[in-house]
Amino acid sequence: AQTVTQSQPEMSVQEAETVTLSCTYDTSENNYYLFWYKQPPSRQMILVIRQEAYKQQNATENRFSVNFQKAAKSFSLKISDSQLGDTAMYFCAFMKHPIQGAQKLVFGQGTRLTINP
Amino acid sequence: NAGVTQTPKFQVLKTGQSMTLQCAQDMNHEYMSWYRQDPGMGLRLIHYSVGAGITDQGEVPNGYNVSRSTTEDFPLRLLSAAPSQTSVYFCASSKLNYGYTFGSGTRLTVV
Repeated sequence: AQTVTQSQPEMSVQEAETVTLSCTYDTSENNYYLFWYKQPPSRQMILVIRQEAYKQQNATENRFSVNFQKAAKSFSLKISDSQLGDTAMYFCAFMKHPIQGAQKLVFGQGTRLTINP
Repeated sequence: NAGVTQTPKFQVLKTGQSMTLQCAQDMNHEYMSWYRQDPGMGLRLIHYSVGAGITDQGEVPNGYNVSRSTTEDFPLRLLSAAPSQTSVYFCASSKLNYGYTFGSGTRLTVV
């Protein structure tokens, strides 16, 4: 079974700083997907970024980028020029490549990020 | 597009009562799932579906039933509510090889 570990329960940075959230995972699969989801106080789960394991290039979405290290099974999220609206719970998630129709997300425990003014 | 719509947003049940959490999506996604979120445990998969008429169990299926008669709808039934089912429930949908789009969640309290 796959597991996802987020070792930082809470983080806090000043506005405009850069922050990196850590995520490691355990799998024997070679083909899979990794995601970062953001959950603000509104409770809505918002997809931030998606990485395909067979792509070596790290995914980026505006101020959000990842450092994907497949051999180390590491998938960190970097937020540049952090904003107050980035304050949220962040979840790392793993999904193995669908076989026989299964497409299931496995989540880490989350990191609570606070951006201070 | 409304995306994924969950109702109700809040619910209080008494132990032993049954209820159905509704979920509908208008994106023609094949895949739908139900997750529960408990403090310190992330989200855990309850049941999922890969298409109309096809469902299967996730990590924590006990006490819950699902059915998927149409592509759009995926209701979750609590058969006999227990305090251990107090949680926030999320419905989500996805197309193949993409991340899931989540509903806004249902906060359920069982007393």
